[in-house]
Amino acid sequence: DVKVTQSSRYLVKRTGEKVFLECVQDMDHENMFWYRQDPGLGLRLIYFSYDVKMKEKGDIPEGYSVSREKKERFSLILESASTNQTSMYLCASHTSGDRLGELFFGEGSRLTVL
Amino acid sequence: AQKITQTQPGMFVQEKEAVTLDCTYDTSDPSYGLFWYKQPSSGEMIFLIYQGSYDQQNATEGRYSLNFQKARKSANLVISASQLGDSAMYFCAMRRLQGGSEKLVFGKGTKLTVNP
Repeated sequence: DVKVTQSSRYLVKRTGEKVFLECVQDMDHENMFWYRQDPGLGLRLIYFSYDVKMKEKGDIPEGYSVSREKKERFSLILESASTNQTSMYLCASHTSGDRLGELFFGEGSRLTVL
Repeated sequence: AQKITQTQPGMFVQEKEAVTLDCTYDTSDPSYGLFWYKQPSSGEMIFLIYQGSYDQQNATEGRYSLNFQKARKSANLVISASQLGDSAMYFCAMRRLQGGSEKLVFGKGTKLTVNP
């Protein structure tokens, strides 16, 4: 069974803290994505990676960075968390050569910044 | 800019009836893909159906069908014989190219409630 696993379902952090959100997939997918989901705004792409050590900005990269040191792992980093980064974060992956869209999603990480 | 518009924040339907969820898109690419995802209250995103821009037939997957009208740039999802378990958020999405890579852009979603 294919799987995308996000390390934390719920996190509570304080303003200014550094936050790591981890995502691991076991499907040997080349492409991995981080989205943020907010009510009324849908899913917005933060960053994505199409290969190890490669990354590209999505639509809302400000305040975030990412790391892809291994193919199976894609980390989202909030260098200094702010209250407006309180949100649901979704990781996804898919393989090159497959029709893009059949993204496999993790269960989400709900982050609250106080 | 390529974008997806879902104009219905919420929809209600009676169990066993059919419902149509609207989606319009904007792109200048000749080749694109359109997708629908379901997100139940548990939070996981479930892929439902895909339509390629060159597909001649409307896509169908069980009770789901996609009413693709290319000239109008619409890709509405039709759910037949609604079930209580269909209550969820539904997102329309479009494949787009950025920097030589493909990714999905999502609409804002429609919350569907199926009443018994």
